[in-house]
Amino acid sequence: NAGVTQTPKFQVLKTGQSMTLQCAQDMNHEYMSWYRQDPGMGLRLIHYSVGAGITDQGEVPNGYNVSRSTTEDFPLRLLSAAPSQTSVYFCASSYSFTALQETQYFGPGTRLLVL
Amino acid sequence: GQQVMQIPQYQHVQEGEDFTTYCNSSTTLSNIQWYKQRPGGHPVFLIQLVKSGEVKKQKRLTFQFGEAKKNSSLHITATQTTDVGTYFCAGPSRGSTLGRLYFGRGTQLTVWP
Repeated sequence: NAGVTQTPKFQVLKTGQSMTLQCAQDMNHEYMSWYRQDPGMGLRLIHYSVGAGITDQGEVPNGYNVSRSTTEDFPLRLLSAAPSQTSVYFCASSYSFTALQETQYFGPGTRLLVL
Repeated sequence: GQQVMQIPQYQHVQEGEDFTTYCNSSTTLSNIQWYKQRPGGHPVFLIQLVKSGEVKKQKRLTFQFGEAKKNSSLHITATQTTDVGTYFCAGPSRGSTLGRLYFGRGTQLTVWP
């Protein structure tokens, strides 16, 4: 199993550009989520999904869109990038939709710089 | 907002010294998880505590869940340079049964040889 994979590893964008961060898992996990990590701020939840076709907002959803058309994939879309979205983005997954008591498996992260 | 508050934000110790990080919540938690993130890496699950007063050990690491289930701690005995990294606690969101797992801001541990 590859676990949780994320692409790209690094990305530089100009303000206003759009892009999609890819996340995939091959563990048949129901639950997937996106976090951003900024210095001194820990991991903040952006969006999450408890199964294919079901998504919900986390604590910092503004400027990001998600969809979950398959169990395996959970892409994160930035429609119009802003410098404030410069961050490291982590995707995570867990076996069950009840994520509260499940081990979260994290991907390697995507480092995004918005100029 | 965040469910758990974590202190200290930074800790610098000499190799061989002990280290403790604390998580506190204003509300009762159903469970709490701990993760470690090495520099440049991604968070990796360490342990989960569920029961009131629970204590779990992993070699030199001791994890505790408070009796009221509102606080937790991670204690490392005789730190080694391999312990370097950021330690996060994570707990469920307030009033939600699904989906929202919130992380503390983490404690960044530096170990001087």
